[in-house]
Amino acid sequence: EIVLTQSPGTLSLSPGETVTLSCRASQSISSRYVAWYQQKPGQAPRLLIYDASSRAAGIPDRFSGSGSGTDFTLTISRLDPEDSALYYCQQYGGSPLLTFGGGTKVEIK
Amino acid sequence: QIQLVESGGGVVQPGGSLRLSCEVSGFTFRTFDMHWVRQAPGKGLEWVAVTSGEGYIKIYADSVKDRFAISRDNSKNTLYLQMNSLRGEDTAVYYCARDLTIGAPDYLEYWGQGTLVTVSS
Repeated sequence: EIVLTQSPGTLSLSPGETVTLSCRASQSISSRYVAWYQQKPGQAPRLLIYDASSRAAGIPDRFSGSGSGTDFTLTISRLDPEDSALYYCQQYGGSPLLTFGGGTKVEIK
Repeated sequence: QIQLVESGGGVVQPGGSLRLSCEVSGFTFRTFDMHWVRQAPGKGLEWVAVTSGEGYIKIYADSVKDRFAISRDNSKNTLYLQMNSLRGEDTAVYYCARDLTIGAPDYLEYWGQGTLVTVSS
């Protein structure tokens, strides 16, 4: 089973800063099949990044993804208070077919 | 406009059954794989199951295998999740979600608003 470990658990930053979230897999993820989602309280998740670095439709270029193998990152630049949310990474193709990381909470002061 | 609307959640006793529905609109339903994902209160996301466009392929998480059944009726643009032998740990908001593109890999671009299932005596 592929386990995704996200770090840190919580971040508190100021508007305008840049943040990098980490997602580490317990084994190599083939073809960089990793996605990132944003979830705000009471809402469904929103797809931000897929294939490790491709932005989903309508996602601003402040959001970028990178990584390969077992280490993947989501970078959010020029933080906006609207970016306060939980962020989850997801892998495809392992066992189970899809797994999510435990999430990182980003708070914008 | 793409919409996914879940229904069927509620309170059920341990060992009981429930069927969730997800009615979709705004896209050609039969061409996309569809998923169920759940989220226990205050917890993270857990993928539950996927069905292929025509419903021939169905894959489950180990935690629900042999208890849950995913299905779809393409004539009604509706996805289902039949949940049997429910346990307390199945308490969660259940989301239906559509793949980003036709075929692999599976990323979840469109989500419903979720329906809450509470398993409690």
